[in-house]
Amino acid sequence: GEDVEQSLFLSVREGDSSVINCTYTDSSSTYLYWYKQEPGAGLQLLTYIFSNMDMKQDQRLTVLLNKKDKHLSLRIADTQTGDSAIYFCAELNYGQNFVFGPGTRLSVLP
Amino acid sequence: DAGVIQSPRHEVTEMGQEVTLRCKPISGHNSLFWYRQTMMRGLELLIYFNNNVPIDDSGMPEDRFSAKMPNASFSTLKIQPSEPRDSAVYFCASSFRQGVETQYFGPGTRLLVL
Repeated sequence: GEDVEQSLFLSVREGDSSVINCTYTDSSSTYLYWYKQEPGAGLQLLTYIFSNMDMKQDQRLTVLLNKKDKHLSLRIADTQTGDSAIYFCAELNYGQNFVFGPGTRLSVLP
Repeated sequence: DAGVIQSPRHEVTEMGQEVTLRCKPISGHNSLFWYRQTMMRGLELLIYFNNNVPIDDSGMPEDRFSAKMPNASFSTLKIQPSEPRDSAVYFCASSFRQGVETQYFGPGTRLLVL
């Protein structure tokens, strides 16, 4: 069955880069997503990548996709305290529904 | 656009009471999803609708849970009777088309059943 895995916690110092990793099992994934959830809020779409792409960059965010290894990563450059949140990886297969990972709680230390 | 709107934002109730959660999807979106989020189980899909029709309710925990979508701009999730283990954050999300388009989430309803 479909499964998305993430490490649960990550701590970085302000100004450093954060790398949040995700692995998925379904090779037919069409899109892969990163959502951000701040305390007390809903999930906010950060970025997504189509499965035929290797990389996508959007300002401080870089998404890397290794389709062979079914590995997705989100790099946040110059991490700020406002980046502290839970980051969810999700996969979408055409005609199916989203499958979310458990979320990685990013803590940014001053 | 105002985004997905949910109400109430917080609900505290006593065990055995009926709870109704409400959702207004983004205008023009044809698919609506109800999720439940807990520390133990993460984010779980409860049910989703396409064009107001329930498609898959296999994630609904038990008969105490029911969901309706009487029109394209409104959906409810009802728990009757509520139990303490129903305490969670309930999210509504909508997308233009199920299985193809990005889902946009509401702010959630934080439910506490005492």
